[in-house]
Amino acid sequence: SQQGEEDPQALSIQEGENATMNCSYKTSINNLQWYRQNSGRGLVHLILIRSNEREKHSGRLRVTLDTSKKSSSLLITASRAADTASYFCATAPREKDKIIFGKGTRLHILP
Amino acid sequence: GAVVSQHPSWVICKSGTSVKIECRSLDFQATTMFWYRQFPKQSLMLMATSNEGSKATYEQGVEKDKFLINHASLTLSTLTVTSAHPEDSSFYICSAREWTVADEQYFGPGTRLTVT
Repeated sequence: SQQGEEDPQALSIQEGENATMNCSYKTSINNLQWYRQNSGRGLVHLILIRSNEREKHSGRLRVTLDTSKKSSSLLITASRAADTASYFCATAPREKDKIIFGKGTRLHILP
Repeated sequence: GAVVSQHPSWVICKSGTSVKIECRSLDFQATTMFWYRQFPKQSLMLMATSNEGSKATYEQGVEKDKFLINHASLTLSTLTVTSAHPEDSSFYICSAREWTVADEQYFGPGTRLTVT
């Protein structure tokens, strides 16, 4: 079963704009991770945020976590054509030895 | 960084045959490996979790007799799709977790299986 739900399911923006994707989940977690997947390819790990953290940055990426609302957001600033991909959040539920993926957001950067 | 490989990267097989997919951790020891399946334009669905030296734990709805998982060493896990059918055609991705870094999983590049 899937724990996370990304919103929106698809997003098209102009190059240079910021892209924001949201993820909501259902149960208590140890951490939440964001991944990128180019079409037909494997996953690229972007960032991990632990349940006791509220915000994390990595380059042009900014991730927030609100455990009271069971939600996370991924912000990509100054988007580039190479950012076109699907983005997934994955949660590590407490007391479960696995991570569960959301349905993903398909991001398309328009030139 | 930690690298996970999968072999083959793609395979085409005939309906009714079996196919084996390998997942290897190249520069670390993986006490736990995970197998996922991904259909086109969909997310990754966890199929099973395997711990080295013990039987795999399958997710609800995944047939253990059809998807045989073996995790015989700390660097290798295999997934065998037995008596494959066209509906088994999918992208299969493994991930591995290093015992010293419990939070992170490292993903393989995936294997595309097409059953004709």
